[in-house]
Amino acid sequence: GENVEQHPSTLSVQEGDSAVIKCTYSDSASNYFPWYKQELGKRPQLIIDIRSNVGEKKDQRIAVTLNKTAKHFSLHITETQPEDSAVYFCAASTGEWSYKYIFGTGTRLKVLA
Amino acid sequence: GAVVSQHPSRVICKSGTSVKIECRSLDFQATTMFWYRQFPKQSLMLMATSNEGSKATYEQGVEKDKFLINHASLTLSTLTVTSAHPEDSSFYICSARGSPSSYNEQFFGPGTRLTVL
Repeated sequence: GENVEQHPSTLSVQEGDSAVIKCTYSDSASNYFPWYKQELGKRPQLIIDIRSNVGEKKDQRIAVTLNKTAKHFSLHITETQPEDSAVYFCAASTGEWSYKYIFGTGTRLKVLA
Repeated sequence: GAVVSQHPSRVICKSGTSVKIECRSLDFQATTMFWYRQFPKQSLMLMATSNEGSKATYEQGVEKDKFLINHASLTLSTLTVTSAHPEDSSFYICSARGSPSSYNEQFFGPGTRLTVL
């Protein structure tokens, strides 16, 4: 089955700097890769996603890149702000009958003011 | 649009009792619903996938007789934790996926924090 690895587990950056979180997946059939932000005790919130037919997607300060050959994808946050501090999860999904997500282990991002 | 609710948001119960958690899609028909469990400072672990009108598919290591899932309609799925024990204490989150036109995207409920004494 699918396995998703995520690095780093914790990340501290100064306000205004960039943050990069990387994930690798094992199932070459995976075709959808969402990124979620989760604050303590809250539901995960979708912040950006990318489909396998696209190599890069950007939404304001957030971007995601996908390398299908290497089976890895990355989240890039520029001009970080204290409110970006949260736990971020990547996930991989296949367009099979179940469309289930396999989540990465999470990255705790701290943006220092 | 695409709102998913869960009830209750918190529940505290005694060891040995059963607890039912409801997951509802409020403004769309959920052909598939998913149940996750999240322990403190850990990731979301998929427990099972349920399709309306059919039996749930459980992930490896999840006891189907302990975690009963019913997806009776296109807007409601329930998870019943039977004979709960302290090790079942966790944050349970459901998600729902709509018709095939919504591709892979899942919409998450707010979660239910279960504490078993």
